Amino acid sequence: GAVVSQHPSWVICKSGTSVKIECRSLDFQATTMFWYRQFPKQSLMLMATSNEGSKATYEQGVEKDKFLINHASLTLSTLTVTSAHPEDSSFYICSAGDRGYGYTFGSGTRLTVV
Amino acid sequence: AQSVTQLDSQVPVFEEAPVELRCNYSSSVSVYLFWYVQYPNQGLQLLLKYLSGSTLVKGINGFEAEFNKSQTSFHLRKPSVHISDTAEYFCAVSEPQGAQKLVFGQGTRLTINP
Repeated sequence: GAVVSQHPSWVICKSGTSVKIECRSLDFQATTMFWYRQFPKQSLMLMATSNEGSKATYEQGVEKDKFLINHASLTLSTLTVTSAHPEDSSFYICSAGDRGYGYTFGSGTRLTVV
Repeated sequence: AQSVTQLDSQVPVFEEAPVELRCNYSSSVSVYLFWYVQYPNQGLQLLLKYLSGSTLVKGINGFEAEFNKSQTSFHLRKPSVHISDTAEYFCAVSEPQGAQKLVFGQGTRLTINP
């Protein structure tokens, strides 16, 4: 079945630094990938839709300059949290549209900014 | 715009008892419907999906769901639950095309008690 690998699974960084999260589709090509943010005990909030070779589409209220998304190939999308602050601490999850009109999710990245 | 309402935020059930997790959606167009399960600090795993055809959909781990267009519902059921079913369950909807963004419900915390 379709597999999406997300890395790292957890990261701790200092306030003001940047963190990059990778999302790879291992056995299929993903033209479109999605990035979600999840706060404790809450649902997933879509941050942006990433399309291979073009600019990402951000949801309303999401700062595109803070959350940089790059989808340079059909198997890799990256999310960079720039100048991270404690309020950016959260669980970030990526997903990719797979062949069967479903969505395969990565295992998530727990970001803690100290 | 689409929306999803999961009517119960928490559902406690005894082991081997049946369970139903309720999901209603709102959409001006036809939809694809999904149920996902999330274990602590992990991504989402697809339980089942409805794209078209038979309104009764069978998924993994003994779960099934029934699409009811007139009631705009997609309730998830399992006839006999196990301790290992303890997790967060999310209902989601997308437009009926490939690689469209998912809109999630608020989630239902299913707790199985021995």
